[in-house]
Amino acid sequence: EDKVVQSPLSLVVHEGDTVTLNCSYEVTNFRSLLWYKQEKKAPTFLFMLTSSGIEKKSGRLSSILDKKELFSILNITATQTGDSAVYLCAVELRTYKYIFGTGTRLKVLA
Amino acid sequence: EADIYQTPRYLVIGTGKKITLECSQTMGHDKMYWYQQDPGMELHLIHYSYGVNSTEKGDLSSESTVSRIRTEHFPLTLESARPSHTSQYLCASSESWKGDQPQHFGDGTRLSIL
Repeated sequence: EDKVVQSPLSLVVHEGDTVTLNCSYEVTNFRSLLWYKQEKKAPTFLFMLTSSGIEKKSGRLSSILDKKELFSILNITATQTGDSAVYLCAVELRTYKYIFGTGTRLKVLA
Repeated sequence: EADIYQTPRYLVIGTGKKITLECSQTMGHDKMYWYQQDPGMELHLIHYSYGVNSTEKGDLSSESTVSRIRTEHFPLTLESARPSHTSQYLCASSESWKGDQPQHFGDGTRLSIL
């Protein structure tokens, strides 16, 4: 059965801290791995990763994929209260279906 | 910028009613999806479509049905709503022919069945 597991389930940090969120997967027919940020409404897209070892960056956020060990990490440096959200990891299969993890709930305290 | 719209945003309705949740996208995406998400829980795929006249059931057993008569429109119908259908329903779309394109989400419909 295809599955995506995220850890930790929740995390509380102070502003300025650096956090690392983990996503491991066991799927057949992997196509890509995606990270989303979800606040009150719909998930908003952060990164799509298809190749191992190539870091993607956007401001204070970065992510990398390891297709051999079947995991990805999402790093957030110098966290701000606006980073508080649920971070979702999803794997896209070659059938174009998406498998989502349960998410990591991040709370950043001022 | 993704343009995908869901209506209504919120719906509170009694048991036994027929409900249709609307989803439209203006990007010409071929693939569309419906997810169900309970508070604090993961997204579960309930239906998806590869294109016009294509519909597939997802991994979560659902008493809903979908149709895809037009590229831009992917409505979800519950023939007889029950309290167990109370949840948030998210619609998404993506394009396959452009290569690495992420899935984009609508703002969701929060459904409460009394």
